[in-house]
Amino acid sequence: GENVEQHPSTLSVQEGDSAVIKCTYSDSASNYFPWYKQELGKRPQLIIDIRSNVGEKKDQRIAVTLNKTAKHFSLHITETQPEDSAVYFCAAGGSYIPTFGRGTSLIVHP
Amino acid sequence: GAGVSQTPSNKVTEKGKYVELRCDPISGHTALYWYRQSLGQGPEFLIYFQGTGAADDSGLPNDRFFAVRPEGSVSTLKIQRTERGDSAVYLCASSTGQGEQFFGPGTRLTVL
Repeated sequence: GENVEQHPSTLSVQEGDSAVIKCTYSDSASNYFPWYKQELGKRPQLIIDIRSNVGEKKDQRIAVTLNKTAKHFSLHITETQPEDSAVYFCAAGGSYIPTFGRGTSLIVHP
Repeated sequence: GAGVSQTPSNKVTEKGKYVELRCDPISGHTALYWYRQSLGQGPEFLIYFQGTGAADDSGLPNDRFFAVRPEGSVSTLKIQRTERGDSAVYLCASSTGQGEQFFGPGTRLTVL
């Protein structure tokens, strides 16, 4: 089955800095890579996703890059704000069932 | 429209008891997923329904866990003879198929 590794487990940045979270996956058949944000005590919510037919996708301050050859993908958040503080999960999957990483706790200090 | 809902929000039970957790998916979503999330971990896949049938139940940890979706909408996750290790947040998600999953708020299960 799929195995997803996510790093770092904790990331602390100053407001306005950029944050990068990296994930690797094992199954070359995976073709869907979503990123979820989970605030404390709340449900995970999709913030961006990418499919294997593209290498990069951007949505305002958030971007995701995918390197299929190396089997890794990354989340980039620019101009971080305190409200970006949350746990971020990457996931990788094939047909219907993504496997989640263990999460990165992002702390943005004002 | 309404999102995914789950009941109860919290469930405290004693070791050895039986519990049922309910999920109401977004109307029209054919795919429904159950996950378990322990503190500091990502969601762990349990079972996936496509319509009324369990398309993949490979994540169920053992035969104490069972889930149904008899009419292709509401789903119930059933846990028999609960153990302290079953304590976690149980998340339900639904989707139209391949793509974004919409998560419910979860049920926090505590087994004493």
